Amino acid sequence: DGGITQSPKYLFRKEGQNVTLSCEQNLNHDAMYWYRQDPGQGLRLIYYSQIVNDFQKGDIAEGYSVSREKKESFPLTVTSAQKNPTAFYLCASSNPGARYGYTFGSGTRLTVV
Amino acid sequence: QKEVEQDPGPLSVPEGAIVSLNCTYSNSAFQYFMWYRQYSRKGPELLMYTYSSGNKEDGRFTAQVDKSSKYISLFIRDSQPSDSATYLCAVNAGGTSYGKLTFGQGTILTVHP
Repeated sequence: DGGITQSPKYLFRKEGQNVTLSCEQNLNHDAMYWYRQDPGQGLRLIYYSQIVNDFQKGDIAEGYSVSREKKESFPLTVTSAQKNPTAFYLCASSNPGARYGYTFGSGTRLTVV
Repeated sequence: QKEVEQDPGPLSVPEGAIVSLNCTYSNSAFQYFMWYRQYSRKGPELLMYTYSSGNKEDGRFTAQVDKSSKYISLFIRDSQPSDSATYLCAVNAGGTSYGKLTFGQGTILTVHP
């Protein structure tokens, strides 16, 4: 079955640590996205990538970094510079133009301990 | 002004009720309109998709778009407890090149038996 796989489902980070969230898709989609979801704030775009080796900042990129070395993979690193990283992180993908919307992964819940 | 405004709710209805979920948008360039359903701790899944004014039905769900008023709605007939979820509207200007969805804040719906 085609889809998007995010791992891990739950992640705990200590203060000052960097952590990396995995996102893999086998839909052959060109574009991939990372969103952060907080209660009452909807989805906020962190980074997006239209093609391999290219990505752009979204609305809340500070404290995050990404790479897109393969079409199938778009990992997100939450750095120690992100002061409030506890949130639900969603990865998505789409064909060019996103006319038919996104396909989302099942999310990663990151908690700072 | 946000590009997409969604009634935040939360909304609580008895089983069997008709539910109306609403969004307004500000940019007349938006051509594609979607509704996503998101269960707790899961990724959003595409529920309805439309690109024209008028109504689109799928079982108990009807998506309505009024481009002249820049207003989109989702109606749920004979609501069930399994419909309890967060509903997100999303819009897209489309085009043949890269497109990015703009999401509403989401409405939390609870259908109680």
